[in-house]
Amino acid sequence: DAGVIQSPRHEVTEMGQEVTLRCKPISGHDYLFWYRQTMMRGLELLIYFNNNVPIDDSGMPEDRFSAKMPNASFSTLKIQPSEPRDSAVYFCASSSMVGAATYNEQFFGPGTRLTVL
Amino acid sequence: QQQVKQSPQSLIVQKGGIPIINCAYENTAFDYFPWYQQFPGKGPALLIAIRPDVSEKKEGRFTISFNKSAKQFSLHIMDSQPGDSATYFCAASRRMNYGGSQGNLIFGKGTKLSVKP
Repeated sequence: DAGVIQSPRHEVTEMGQEVTLRCKPISGHDYLFWYRQTMMRGLELLIYFNNNVPIDDSGMPEDRFSAKMPNASFSTLKIQPSEPRDSAVYFCASSSMVGAATYNEQFFGPGTRLTVL
Repeated sequence: QQQVKQSPQSLIVQKGGIPIINCAYENTAFDYFPWYQQFPGKGPALLIAIRPDVSEKKEGRFTISFNKSAKQFSLHIMDSQPGDSATYFCAASRRMNYGGSQGNLIFGKGTKLSVKP
């Protein structure tokens, strides 16, 4: 299995531009998570999906951020317009439910390092 | 109540030493406590996890100690090696249920470990 795939790995953009980050979860996983990592705030959960449906988006910082999951193998996180304070590493992770109840072992992608100038 | 507090922020030990990283939580509904290891430029990866029905779990050189009454858990790395140099994150979650909003991981802020040769 190729693991969680994210693209691009690095993104440099200017303030005000639209940024789209992409994620392909592990095949068969039915949960997908978007995180943001900064030195100051650590790993923050932004939003997560179950079976392509957003379950909890309370971590999305503001309306400039949006996430979609049009199918089980693809998700996007969009920032429009981007600001310098959005500079961070964005991770996508996926996990799978097995049985009636399970624990949340998440598999992380390599991340996208975003720099907004 | 959703926070997981991790200490120390950074740790330097000599090869062969036993670094200990501590975490504390408030929410007594948490019943899954994983540790993730992150190398520079990579996403976090599950290292070891424990459930509160046991007080200790060991996998190779890594041991989790769990104190349910104190709501604390810690990671011990025996005979540490330079290759263990990484950032370690503790986390906590509740059991996931089908289609539910429970189960997302709450991460600590991370501990940067350096093991000197």
